[in-house]
Amino acid sequence: DGGITQSPKYLFRKEGQNVTLSCEQNLNHDAMYWYRQDPGQGLRLIYYSQIVNDFQKGDIAEGYSVSREKKESFPLTVTSAQKNPTAFYLCASGSRGDNEQFFGPGTRLTVL
Amino acid sequence: GEDVEQSLFLSVREGDSSVINCTYTDSSSTYLYWYKQEPGAGLQLLTYIFSNMDMKQDQRLTVLLNKKDKHLSLRIADTQTGDSAIYFCAERSAGNTPLVFGKGTRLSVIA
Repeated sequence: DGGITQSPKYLFRKEGQNVTLSCEQNLNHDAMYWYRQDPGQGLRLIYYSQIVNDFQKGDIAEGYSVSREKKESFPLTVTSAQKNPTAFYLCASGSRGDNEQFFGPGTRLTVL
Repeated sequence: GEDVEQSLFLSVREGDSSVINCTYTDSSSTYLYWYKQEPGAGLQLLTYIFSNMDMKQDQRLTVLLNKKDKHLSLRIADTQTGDSAIYFCAERSAGNTPLVFGKGTRLSVIA
């Protein structure tokens, strides 16, 4: 069963703690992306990676970090430096050849 | 920079057609996309169109592209209550570059 999985679906964090969101895909896609969604704000790009061991900052990278050690995995760490981390986080992946980009089900992060 | 604009709300009666509009600024946009998001879920790719096309039809969905005016529309025929969702327009210039999204149009279908 191919697709993109994100875990956990809901995540609660205390202020000052780092937290890592998981994103895994078995679609053999080269590129992976992290977006943040706030109510009424659409999707904003945090980081993206077009190939293993390489990634680029998006529009709102401050307070976030990523790694791309394997093609299948692109974890996102929300650090304590992120001032307003409560949001819905969406991971996506895409293949150069078919122009499509698919999304995972999302992780809702709440900072208490 | 690149920008994608959409109206925020649209309300239609069940059985009518819905038309969701989008404008974009990047003249190098190569691919334009429509996604659907239901509450609490990820985005579902509905369809996309290459910039050298004027129209694409897929069952109840019709996409129209006016490249001169940088205007994209999504028409949903015979709108059903299950079509109630947020619809996002997005564009990309090439290859695996990231998509640039509009803020989404919330479609409400009245029975």
